[in-house]
Amino acid sequence: NAGVTQTPKFQVLKTGQSMTLQCAQDMNHEYMSWYRQDPGMGLRLIHYSVGAGITDQGEVPNGYNVSRSTTEDFPLRLLSAAPSQTSVYFCASSLGRASNEKLFFGSGTQLSVL
Amino acid sequence: KQEVTQIPAALSVPEGENLVLNCSFTDSAIYNLQWFRQDPGKGLTSLLLIQSSQREQTSGRLNASLDKSSGRSTLYIAASQPGDSATYLCAVGNDYKLSFGAGTTVTVRA
Repeated sequence: NAGVTQTPKFQVLKTGQSMTLQCAQDMNHEYMSWYRQDPGMGLRLIHYSVGAGITDQGEVPNGYNVSRSTTEDFPLRLLSAAPSQTSVYFCASSLGRASNEKLFFGSGTQLSVL
Repeated sequence: KQEVTQIPAALSVPEGENLVLNCSFTDSAIYNLQWFRQDPGKGLTSLLLIQSSQREQTSGRLNASLDKSSGRSTLYIAASQPGDSATYLCAVGNDYKLSFGAGTTVTVRA
């Protein structure tokens, strides 16, 4: 009963490095999304996808890329890491529209950019 | 732009007391409102989802109300227990996007 799986759990990067955060779900959910959580702030939407091959920007998309080649996977790519991207990243999925269905979250990736 | 506010940021109560958590939002054109629980170092777990046409939703000791016209929701937790200690976040849904509050961190003292 895996649900939403994120890897890695922790990552340290140097400024300018690139990396991919992985997210996979086994619930056949159409909707997947990436959020970042910073201290004292609510979660902010980075990118989302309503199905394979379809992605769209959220509130804070700059510096991040996504793709959705399968229903199960939704990786988040940091193109050139900056200290401002130090945060906890969460992947979430739901059966349909996030506004109509309960959202299921992964356990998060804590990213530090030095 | 939707703004979601949760006050207070932190709350400490003795075991057995009822908890009242508040959430307010600026744009009443929402599809639904969800309450989540987050334990330290963990992801979020959805507790209750209230559709925009509903006034409240209940699950066990939890009851959430929604007043769209005033832009408010309240989460009630009856007879609090130490295991209820966590951060509680509300989020309002517009189409494919959720806007989150910063959360209320609850400590229930044994």
